[in-house]
Amino acid sequence: NAGVTQTPKFQVLKTGQSMTLQCAQDMNHNSMYWYRQDPGMGLRLIYYSASEGTTDKGEVPNGYNVSRLNKREFSLRLESAAPSQTSVYFCASSGIAQSNSPLHFGNGTRLTVT
Amino acid sequence: GESVGLHLPTLSVQEGDNSIINCAYSNSASDYFIWYKQESGKGPQFIIDIRSNMDKRQGQRVTVLLNKTVKHLSLQIAATQPGDSAVYFCAEGGGGSNYKLTFGKGTLLTVNP
Repeated sequence: NAGVTQTPKFQVLKTGQSMTLQCAQDMNHNSMYWYRQDPGMGLRLIYYSASEGTTDKGEVPNGYNVSRLNKREFSLRLESAAPSQTSVYFCASSGIAQSNSPLHFGNGTRLTVT
Repeated sequence: GESVGLHLPTLSVQEGDNSIINCAYSNSASDYFIWYKQESGKGPQFIIDIRSNMDKRQGQRVTVLLNKTVKHLSLQIAATQPGDSAVYFCAEGGGGSNYKLTFGKGTLLTVNP
């Protein structure tokens, strides 16, 4: 099993450009999450999808949109990138969002917005 | 809001020694705690978790201790190896909701040969 796979690994955008970060998991998990990680801060939740067909805002949703394409895939879209969105983005999955169980993370997308 | 913190931002140990990484939490309602390891350029890797009805849980070379009285969590790594060098961070949660996890900032563990 590959676990959680994220693409691309690196991306440089200019202010105002758009892009979609892709995430797929092969663990048959119901719930998926998008986090951002910034220096000196803990992981912060952007959006999550408790199950196929549902999405909800997390702690820092502004400037982002998500799509739960199917049970395996959960994408994050930046419509108009800003320098404040320079960060490392992690996708994660877990069995059920409405429970406490370990999240399994991908290896991240390193995004720089100039 | 409530937050998770770490006592030590960096920890340097000799290969073969035991390591102890600490974490303080402030939300007395938290009842689920996780430790993650993050190597440079990689995503967080699950190490071990513990629920509030337990004081101690052991894994392979790792032990997590939970002291609810003082709201303190620790990760003990036995016989630390160079491959253990990484950032370790804890997360707290509760209420049966993974989307309410709060992550700490991390401690950098360096293992000297």
